[in-house]
Amino acid sequence: DTEVTQTPKHLVMGMTNKKSLKCEQHMGHRAMYWYKQKAKKPPELMFVYSYEKLSINESVPSRFSPECPNSSLLNLHLHALQPEDSALYLCASSQDLSRGQGSYGYTFGSGTRLTVV
Amino acid sequence: GQQVMQIPQYQHVQEGEDFTTYCNSSTTLSNIQWYKQRPGGHPVFLIQLVKSGEVKKQKRLTFQFGEAKKNSSLHITATQTTDVGTYFCAAPPPRGSNYKLTFGKGTLLTVNP
Repeated sequence: DTEVTQTPKHLVMGMTNKKSLKCEQHMGHRAMYWYKQKAKKPPELMFVYSYEKLSINESVPSRFSPECPNSSLLNLHLHALQPEDSALYLCASSQDLSRGQGSYGYTFGSGTRLTVV
Repeated sequence: GQQVMQIPQYQHVQEGEDFTTYCNSSTTLSNIQWYKQRPGGHPVFLIQLVKSGEVKKQKRLTFQFGEAKKNSSLHITATQTTDVGTYFCAAPPPRGSNYKLTFGKGTLLTVNP
């Protein structure tokens, strides 16, 4: 299995809702990432998990809360989002943090297209 | 922080023409990666370059890493409609910093059949 699976593919939520994005990989990768991508822009790093521990938080607002229940799963919990948070949320994985820049690159999921109304 | 400048922002070509996108950094890069994102899709890893002056080929795609490891290019020979998409370069920060991949702004390639 060489895929990163993200659910749901599309999500519309109100500003008072609580929702979660899910990401799963079975490649044995020990580093997992959340990226946010606005239209016509490059992906922007939000969080990095290495060996199930939060390694990097790119000063993301607390209304985004990541969780890594085990080495295969990564969640992003959403609460009280703003319309400007509407974007494509991408999960990615790599072999491990130091080898993320190794010869295999990052494997991205197909993303969750989030709309906040 | 680490920045990679990528040009051009957009490129429209006729099918069969060549295409090149360039990435430049003000600092020496330990490596550089290239990704392709189709319209409505997600980034897909193409290749990583590590060595000074490295050149790698994948069918019609040629990737180069500069001698000073501060610039890189992706060249597509005889473009096809299947090449449409945004091509991103991405690089990690200088050694010793937290590992995080910074993406260039991307070059959107459109191909007229």
